[in-house]
Amino acid sequence: GQSLEQPSEVTAVEGAIVQINCTYQTSGFYGLSWYQQHDGGAPTFLSYNALDGLEETGRFSSFLSRSDSYGYLLLQELQMKDSASYFCAAMDSNYQLIWGAGTKLIIKP
Amino acid sequence: GAGVSQTPSNKVTEKGKYVELRCDPISGHTALYWYRQSLGQGPEFLIYFQGTGAADDSGLPNDRFFAVRPEGSVSTLKIQRTERGDSAVYLCASSPAGAEGETQYFGPGTRLLVL
Repeated sequence: GQSLEQPSEVTAVEGAIVQINCTYQTSGFYGLSWYQQHDGGAPTFLSYNALDGLEETGRFSSFLSRSDSYGYLLLQELQMKDSASYFCAAMDSNYQLIWGAGTKLIIKP
Repeated sequence: GAGVSQTPSNKVTEKGKYVELRCDPISGHTALYWYRQSLGQGPEFLIYFQGTGAADDSGLPNDRFFAVRPEGSVSTLKIQRTERGDSAVYLCASSPAGAEGETQYFGPGTRLLVL
């Protein structure tokens, strides 16, 4: 079957760095996306990795290792507004996104 | 410009009733997706439209669920004989062409509660 595994919850301190890991198993794989969703809100796109390596966009970076079926999202200089759920989603051979269950990021002052 | 809009924002219905959920994608986006999200879970793919046609409906759970996009813009998700297990947030997303890696832009969702 197809599945993505990510931690259910991560806690960090304001100003710190946090890494959210994701492992995937899909039938065919084109790339790994990350989305942010605040409580009651819509998912919003953060990043997409099709190739191995690190992609940096401001305070957020995303990494992919296709050989390990693994990726992570790195958030730096955490701000209280970053408190949200973060989803990894793998694009399968049908160009559909298969989503993980999400990681709730709790940020403490 | 306007984002993806969905109506109604909330819908309460009784078991066995019929409901229609509407999605208005970003103008010019040919790809449209419907997802269902339960509390504490990621979105679950239901159906994907490319233009007017359903390119992939493999995620529809059973024949009570049906979706249309007759003019290639607005889409309606239709659920017949609703069951309590259908209660969830129904999300719609659109993207410019449905190509690999394209950002999907999500609407705010319709929260469906079946009593």
